[in-house]
Amino acid sequence: GIQVEQSPPDLILQEGANSTLRCNFSDSVNNLQWFHQNPWGQLINLFYIPSGTKQNGRLSATTVATERYSLLYISSSQTTDSGVYFCAVNTNAGKSTFGDGTTLTVKP
Amino acid sequence: NAGVTQTPKFQVLKTGQSMTLQCAQDMNHEYMSWYRQDPGMGLRLIHYSVGAGITDQGEVPNGYNVSRSTTEDFPLRLLSAAPSQTSVYFCASSSQETQYFGPGTRLLVL
Repeated sequence: GIQVEQSPPDLILQEGANSTLRCNFSDSVNNLQWFHQNPWGQLINLFYIPSGTKQNGRLSATTVATERYSLLYISSSQTTDSGVYFCAVNTNAGKSTFGDGTTLTVKP
Repeated sequence: NAGVTQTPKFQVLKTGQSMTLQCAQDMNHEYMSWYRQDPGMGLRLIHYSVGAGITDQGEVPNGYNVSRSTTEDFPLRLLSAAPSQTSVYFCASSSQETQYFGPGTRLLVL
């Protein structure tokens, strides 16, 4: 099956810093999503981005489907950005493969 | 619009017991899925459904059964619980694009 690798596994930032999270995948995909899992375990949709670039406030994402990677950018990080960021890819609708996540800690 | 709801939020079972985790969605989505999340890991797909009456296995289906008699509901059954099934279980529903997750069920099997 498709492999999804996320890097770095852990990231510690000072509040206000910028960061880039990466997701590599091993095969062509129909769908790619980024999620944030907050410290209470809730999974929150950030982006649906099978290709191209999208922005939502301080967050933006870029997927280069032909090169099989996606990047999540977080600018001016805040303590509320802490948690685990997951990349998930679909080859068939309803059937996602998740990476192991990047654990982000933002210190005040 | 409640989105995706899951019950119970927390459950303790003894080895060998059976139980059903409930999942419901009110977004009229065709696709529904069950995942488990173990500590420090991403989510792994257990079973999924592309519509009422249609289900298929994911990456880790052993020990679990599902059925989809209606668009709204997608229950997950543990046939004979084992300590290896201690995990957090997430249900999701999706359109062609975006998956939406329920709040999760924490299951402890002793």
